[in-house]
Amino acid sequence: QKEVEQDPGPLSVPEGAIVSLNCTYSNSAFQYFMWYRQYSRKGPELLMYTYSSGNKEDGRFTAQVDKSSKYISLFIRDSQPSDSATYLCAGGDSWGKLQFGAGTQVVVTP
Amino acid sequence: NAGVTQTPKFRVLKTGQSMTLLCAQDMNHEYMYWYRQDPGMGLRLIHYSVGEGTTAKGEVPDGYNVSRLKKQNFLLGLESAAPSQTSVYFCASGRSDTQYFGPGTRLTVL
Repeated sequence: QKEVEQDPGPLSVPEGAIVSLNCTYSNSAFQYFMWYRQYSRKGPELLMYTYSSGNKEDGRFTAQVDKSSKYISLFIRDSQPSDSATYLCAGGDSWGKLQFGAGTQVVVTP
Repeated sequence: NAGVTQTPKFRVLKTGQSMTLLCAQDMNHEYMYWYRQDPGMGLRLIHYSVGEGTTAKGEVPDGYNVSRLKKQNFLLGLESAAPSQTSVYFCASGRSDTQYFGPGTRLTVL
């Protein structure tokens, strides 16, 4: 069983809607959590990282971590067609060894 | 700043051939990583380095070797390529809590 589980989608939303992405994890040793965005045939791009439980906001993006339930989320407000991509969640330890989810494909339709 | 660069971008090998993938970063990062990405599997860590002259195994190290002779470079070697090593290979560098990825190398082993 993978240590980070993520629904592969695809998740299709209309432009302007809120995109809600979720992952669950099983490794209690994870010290921090990251969200990456990956466009087709490109490298992953770091969107957000967070250490603790709670919310972290950056522009249209909000990352949420609930360590008690081992649940991490990413919300994208006012979604744009340019947000269409695969979103990867990851948990990491103190050495930076990351465990990734399989990725969720998001399609924002105009 | 070029960030993280990878050489080559594409390669086709025959079973049993060897090759070396080069990763270079100009951000003075201590930590560097090699991942492979396969459909449905997400990104999986092959090897990593926490400083010049150091290397350590990740989740899927078999069939690969690495070297970090210079801080800015991290090399991934395949001594005897197998079809199971057909994948997209990504290098990353950063701190323990943030990693920045290169554009990837698409490797096909026939």
